[in-house]
Amino acid sequence: DVKVTQSSRYLVKRTGEKVFLECVQDMDHENMFWYRQDPGLGLRLIYFSYDVKMKEKGDIPEGYSVSREKKERFSLILESASTNQTSMYLCASSLASPYEQYFGPGTRLTVT
Amino acid sequence: GENVEQHPSTLSVQEGDSAVIKCTYSDSASNYFPWYKQELGKGPQLIIDIRSNVGEKKDQRIAVTLNKTAKHFSLHITETQPEDSAVYFCAATVGNQFYFGTGTSLTVIP
Repeated sequence: DVKVTQSSRYLVKRTGEKVFLECVQDMDHENMFWYRQDPGLGLRLIYFSYDVKMKEKGDIPEGYSVSREKKERFSLILESASTNQTSMYLCASSLASPYEQYFGPGTRLTVT
Repeated sequence: GENVEQHPSTLSVQEGDSAVIKCTYSDSASNYFPWYKQELGKGPQLIIDIRSNVGEKKDQRIAVTLNKTAKHFSLHITETQPEDSAVYFCAATVGNQFYFGTGTSLTVIP
């Protein structure tokens, strides 16, 4: 079974802090994605990566950056956390496009 | 970009009844349409998908239909059970990107 793991289930950070969210997949997938999920808005794509060191902006990249140094790991970085970044963050991976995306359990981030 | 609309936002059905969730999309280039189920505290999980060259697909109690001309697709769950209670998301895919609907919270009443 494909497994996508995220470093934390719950995270509380203060405004202005730098925040790292880590995601690891164990199936040698090419593509990895970061979404945020908010009530009534569904899942919105922040960034995705289709290869090591490659990244593409999604629909809402402002305030975020990403890093993919190894194929299995994709990190989401909040350079200076703000309260409007309080949300559920979901990582996903897929073998190729367009194919099934496998999701991690999510990280609920609260910025106070 | 693609715009996916999903209805209804909430749905309650009696156990054993059918449930239907509908989505529309805007970009005729969309060619892959997955449906995800998200249970409380978990990430979304694929339950069924359909590609643009197919009109209908069925897997036990779950079926999906696609009308490319009208740009809409639907999820049908028959003989609903309490464990079907969850949030369901549709998506349309253009290239590498999935565009998700806003979700339907389904409650199956025993």
